[in-house]
Amino acid sequence: KNEVEQSPQNLTAQEGEFITINCSYSVGISALHWLQQHPGGGIVSLFMLSSGKKKHGRLIATINIQEKHSSLHITASHPRDSAVYICAVRSRSNYKLTFGKGTLLTVNP
Amino acid sequence: DTAVSQTPKYLVTQMGNDKSIKCEQNLGHDTMYWYKQDSKKFLKIMFSYNNKELIINETVPNRFSPKSPDKAHLNLHINSLELGDSAVYFCASSQDGAGANVLTFGAGSRLTVL
Repeated sequence: KNEVEQSPQNLTAQEGEFITINCSYSVGISALHWLQQHPGGGIVSLFMLSSGKKKHGRLIATINIQEKHSSLHITASHPRDSAVYICAVRSRSNYKLTFGKGTLLTVNP
Repeated sequence: DTAVSQTPKYLVTQMGNDKSIKCEQNLGHDTMYWYKQDSKKFLKIMFSYNNKELIINETVPNRFSPKSPDKAHLNLHINSLELGDSAVYFCASSQDGAGANVLTFGAGSRLTVL
């Protein structure tokens, strides 16, 4: 079992829909990252959080440390949001970053 | 100006060859990383350097040797390339290695071993 599990693996939505991607992890962490990888391959860091909630534009990330769970929400989704979203956790013990397998989001116009 | 730049972007080579991928960051970050993304798009840490010192070294064949001449550069040298080395290699940097700061990624270097 991977230390970081994401769900769903694939998600197709219509433009305007509210999107939720989930991430569960099994180790003690110092931080959790949400990354976005576009079809062109580049990776962009969306959020880094260790508690609570962060918001950037239409993106919201939340984390519940007790439950070892994080969610990434996209409001009013748009075709340009189509990408792979990757959750990654940094271990508290060795600072190693472990990645989930990613969620492929496709937003149709 | 590109914050984390990797060269080359594409590399096609024969089995058995030796090749290098270079990475430079102009962000003044202390920590640099190499990640490998396989054909299933799964990312995995290979190495991490903090101020030129190796701090993370995952189970990577010793054909892979990172070199950090200064804290702005982390190069990856691969000896005796094998088919399984074909992947996209991402360099990244952060202000520190303890997870308190976001990561900035390079654009990736796609290595194809024939």
